Amino acid sequence: EIVMTQSPVTLSVSPGERGTLSCRASQSVGTNLAWYQQKPGQVPRLLIYGASTRATDVPARFSGSGSGTEFTLTISSLQSEDFAVYYCHQYNDWPRGTFGPGTKVDFK
Amino acid sequence: QVQLVQSGAEVKKPGASVRVSCKASGYKFINYRLSWVRQAPGQGLEWVGWIHTYNGNTDYAQKFQGRVTMTTDTSTNTAYMELENLRSDDAAIYYCAREASIGGLDYWGQGTLVTVSS
Repeated sequence: EIVMTQSPVTLSVSPGERGTLSCRASQSVGTNLAWYQQKPGQVPRLLIYGASTRATDVPARFSGSGSGTEFTLTISSLQSEDFAVYYCHQYNDWPRGTFGPGTKVDFK
Repeated sequence: QVQLVQSGAEVKKPGASVRVSCKASGYKFINYRLSWVRQAPGQGLEWVGWIHTYNGNTDYAQKFQGRVTMTTDTSTNTAYMELENLRSDDAAIYYCAREASIGGLDYWGQGTLVTVSS
């Protein structure tokens, strides 16, 4: 099973700052990686697929990069609505997917 | 618009089984595969398994094999997940989610809370 790890556990930032979230896979997943945003009490929302492609209606301040085992989600200028938990998800080991443990982005 | 509507909350005793449904609308059901994902209280997302809605093929996470069964009813565009021999650590919100053709899970059901308590 491919194991996903994420860092940091919590990212404390101020609105307007840049946020950088990392995700690592225990073996190569190519670019078969997605990122999701989940706010309290809400359903996860797909942000990025294919490691770097924004899903429909996702603002341009969200960008994804990486391949193989190292991936990054960058939020260029954090807005108040971006404070949430972010999960990475590999689907290279199709159909078996695994999620990272999540990074919580909160107010500094 | 695409919608996945799940069945309501369940309260079960340890050892019992639970069946959660997920009714799809707004797209051609058999053209997209479905995954089931769960989230224990205050915890992260955990992939439970997957079903190919066209032919019924399934694959389950190893930890659930032998206890989970996923099925579909293409006449009603509904998917089902049954989990047997429930334990306290099975208490979670269970989501169905559509697998996007381009990767990732693009639409999610609203979640079904399963409580396991004696």
